[in-house]
Amino acid sequence: DVKVTQSSRYLVKRTGEKVFLECVQDMDHENMFWYRQDPGLGLRLIYFSYDVKMKEKGDIPEGYSVSREKKERFSLILESASTNQTSMYLCASSFDQAFFGQGTRLTVV
Amino acid sequence: AQSVTQLGSHVSVSEGALVLLRCNYSSSVPPYLFWYVQYPNQGLQLLLKYTTGATLVKGINGFEAEFKKSETSFHLTKPSAHMSDAAEYFCAVSENSGYALNFGKGTSLLVTP
Repeated sequence: DVKVTQSSRYLVKRTGEKVFLECVQDMDHENMFWYRQDPGLGLRLIYFSYDVKMKEKGDIPEGYSVSREKKERFSLILESASTNQTSMYLCASSFDQAFFGQGTRLTVV
Repeated sequence: AQSVTQLGSHVSVSEGALVLLRCNYSSSVPPYLFWYVQYPNQGLQLLLKYTTGATLVKGINGFEAEFKKSETSFHLTKPSAHMSDAAEYFCAVSENSGYALNFGKGTSLLVTP
């Protein structure tokens, strides 16, 4: 069974903290993505990577960065967490279709 | 640039009734189209996808969608709703298989007894 695993289901962090969201896939996919989901806004693309050497900004990259040191792992980094980054974060990997993790619900207080 | 518009943020149907969720897309290249479903507190699961070929696409759980280029639409249907179909549904478009998805804002489906 294919799997995209996000390290945490729920996180609570303080304003100004550096936050790491981890994502691991076991399908040997080249392509990996981070999306943010907010009510009424759907899913919006933060960053993506089509190769372990490549990282590209999506539609809403401000305040975020990513790391992809290994093919199977794609990490999202909130450099200095703010309350407007409270959201559901979804990781996905793909070859011909995207498989999603269970999501991390992050609350910044 | 690609985008998706889902008409109706909330749709309510009776159990056994037809389900119709509307999706219109905008794309400057031949689109790859997807429908995903999300149950509460879970990630997204692929229902069906259109890449090339047959315009009527059948998916899981009895859902199907038809790609209509002239109408730039990819509406999702199911002949008879079940209570278990209650969920959030997302239409998405990409410029190629496996590439980044542009999602609509989602439609919440409520199924009443």
